[in-house]
Amino acid sequence: EVQLLESGGGLVQPGGSLRLSCAASGFTFSNHAITWVRQAPGKGLDWVSGISGSGQIPYYADSVKGRFNISRDNSKNIVYLEMNSLRPEDTAVYHCAKDRGYCSGTSCYAVRYFDHWGQGILVTVSS
Amino acid sequence: EVVLTQSPASLSVSPGDGASLSCRASQSVASNLAWYQQRPGQAPRLLIYAASTRATGVPARFSGGGSGTEFTLTISSLQADDFAIYYCQQYSRWPPLTFGGGTKVEIK
Repeated sequence: EVQLLESGGGLVQPGGSLRLSCAASGFTFSNHAITWVRQAPGKGLDWVSGISGSGQIPYYADSVKGRFNISRDNSKNIVYLEMNSLRPEDTAVYHCAKDRGYCSGTSCYAVRYFDHWGQGILVTVSS
Repeated sequence: EVVLTQSPASLSVSPGDGASLSCRASQSVASNLAWYQQRPGQAPRLLIYAASTRATGVPARFSGGGSGTEFTLTISSLQADDFAIYYCQQYSRWPPLTFGGGTKVEIK
């Protein structure tokens, strides 16, 4: 069974930092891109960042570029989201999600839609 | 950035009736569109990808259609656990990946 479990959230002051973790199990982790999507209270879904299966290719929304850093440790099946210079508008539940992706031969490909999601972790930026 | 506009924002439907949800893209995304369902307090669930392909385990009462800039999610004969918020997402022109604002399907 595929499982994704986020951790590391909490209350932080504006300008502060947090590191979120997404621990995955139940699939071949290095074959799949992972993304972070956030949801502000009572609002819709907002894509934040993604990373390829190898970890070599990160992507960011303009709203977080230069402040957030995504990385992964394929030996531990974990994706990290380092969040710096946090703003009140970053307050949200942060979900990690697994790219449905597929492998053909020795290559794996991301498809950019997401078939398994974690329950999410709340990040609150407030003084 | 591709902007996705969903309509209506909310929809009241009686159990057993059908519902049709719309997603319009600001520019063509071909068939690179997915739909998700989000029940209260839960994570999103993938329903449809490639505009019309049902994800694993999704009941046949969910169907997707459209291409280019106009897309529809149709739910026939709504069941109790279909009352939720539905989001479309494009993956044609990225980054960024973008989501629509959602349609809330409520019990009438």
